[in-house]
Amino acid sequence: DGGITQSPKYLFRKEGQNVTLSCEQNLNHDAMYWYRQDPGQGLRLIYYSQIVNDFQKGDIAEGYSVSREKKESFPLTVTSAQKNPTAFYLCASSKSGANTEAFFGQGTRLTVV
Amino acid sequence: GENVEQHPSTLSVQEGDSAVIKCTYSDSASNYFPWYKQELGKGPQLIIDIRSNVGEKKDQRIAVTLNKTAKHFSLHITETQPEDSAVYFCAASQIGTGSQGNLIFGKGTKLSVKP
Repeated sequence: DGGITQSPKYLFRKEGQNVTLSCEQNLNHDAMYWYRQDPGQGLRLIYYSQIVNDFQKGDIAEGYSVSREKKESFPLTVTSAQKNPTAFYLCASSKSGANTEAFFGQGTRLTVV
Repeated sequence: GENVEQHPSTLSVQEGDSAVIKCTYSDSASNYFPWYKQELGKGPQLIIDIRSNVGEKKDQRIAVTLNKTAKHFSLHITETQPEDSAVYFCAASQIGTGSQGNLIFGKGTKLSVKP
């Protein structure tokens, strides 16, 4: 089945630790995105990548880092510099150009303990 | 940059009634307006979208209307069912040949359909 997979579904992190969220897609999409979702805040863009080996900051990139070494993979690292990391993180992918439907993963809920 | 406002934040309707969710956008260059449905604990899923070259689009019980002059678009759900209960997000972006703007989302509407 084609789709976009995020893992793990739930993640707990101690303060001061970095943690990496996985996102893999087999849809052959060029573009991939990371969003953060907080109650009442909607979806806010953290980072995006339109092509392999290139990525751009979104609206709330501080305290996060990404890599795009393969077309299928776009991992997100939440660093210790992120002051309020507890949130629901969503990864999405889409074709570039005119066909812009974004497909979302099932999300990772990160909790700092 | 683009800003999308969505109203209401919560909406409760009786099964069988209609539900309407409204969004406004600020960037007149935006030309693509999707609507996503998010069920509890899951990622959003596209339910319908509209491009700026049309004013209305319908798919069974759901429809979207777009007023480019006023820069607002709306989601209409008729004959609501309990399974329509979810959070709905509108979004806006600018698309063109070989390029794609990022989706800017509204803050969401939690729809509850009471049996």
